[in-house]
Amino acid sequence: QVQLQESGPGLVKPSQTLSLTCTVSGGSISSGSYYWSWIRQPAGKGLEWIGRIYTSGSTNYNPSLKSRVTISVDTSKNQFSLKLSSVTAADTAVYYCARGAGVTINWGQGTLVTVSS
Amino acid sequence: EIVLTQSPGTLSLSPGERATLSCRASQSVSSSYLAWYQQKPGQAPRLLIYGASSRATGIPDRFSGSGSGTDFTLTISRLEPEDFAVYYCQQYGSSPAITFGQGTRLEIK
Repeated sequence: QVQLQESGPGLVKPSQTLSLTCTVSGGSISSGSYYWSWIRQPAGKGLEWIGRIYTSGSTNYNPSLKSRVTISVDTSKNQFSLKLSSVTAADTAVYYCARGAGVTINWGQGTLVTVSS
Repeated sequence: EIVLTQSPGTLSLSPGERATLSCRASQSVSSSYLAWYQQKPGQAPRLLIYGASSRATGIPDRFSGSGSGTDFTLTISRLEPEDFAVYYCQQYGSSPAITFGQGTRLEIK
């Protein structure tokens, strides 16, 4: 059973870069035809897809965030990462990492990131 | 980008009743790449339905999905107490973006 766990700072200052890592256990991040996604959810609001990466390295990003987002993968560590630059209070949310094959199948438990000075 | 609109925003029903949730897309969803998720407070979403009508592993058969093109429905045939939650639809057939509906809150009447 594949499990995903997000990690990273819970507090980021405005204008700085938010950096999160997702560690995959119970299976290799390189095996199978999966993609690895980031999704976020502001408190009391709905889900917003941020982007995804395939183990080939190809990426897709939400057009509304594309200019600020970078998703990368480190197969040696069985991890993938999110960087979101120039953050504002509007980026405060629970951030989820997830695995998909077409549909999003497995989710991490989520980590709260607050943008505040 | 495909915009998904869910209705109603809130649905108030009693255990044992039938729930019908709607998800309408701004353009046709490719190959019925439409999924439904259930989310309870403090938890990550859980996949219920994919491909518009296929139940995910371990999902009870009281949950069913239907629809194609731009109109999709999630039906819960007889509500159990644990079914009261927020439900999201998601389309995953449009490149480059995956999009979610805004959610329907199913609450106990």
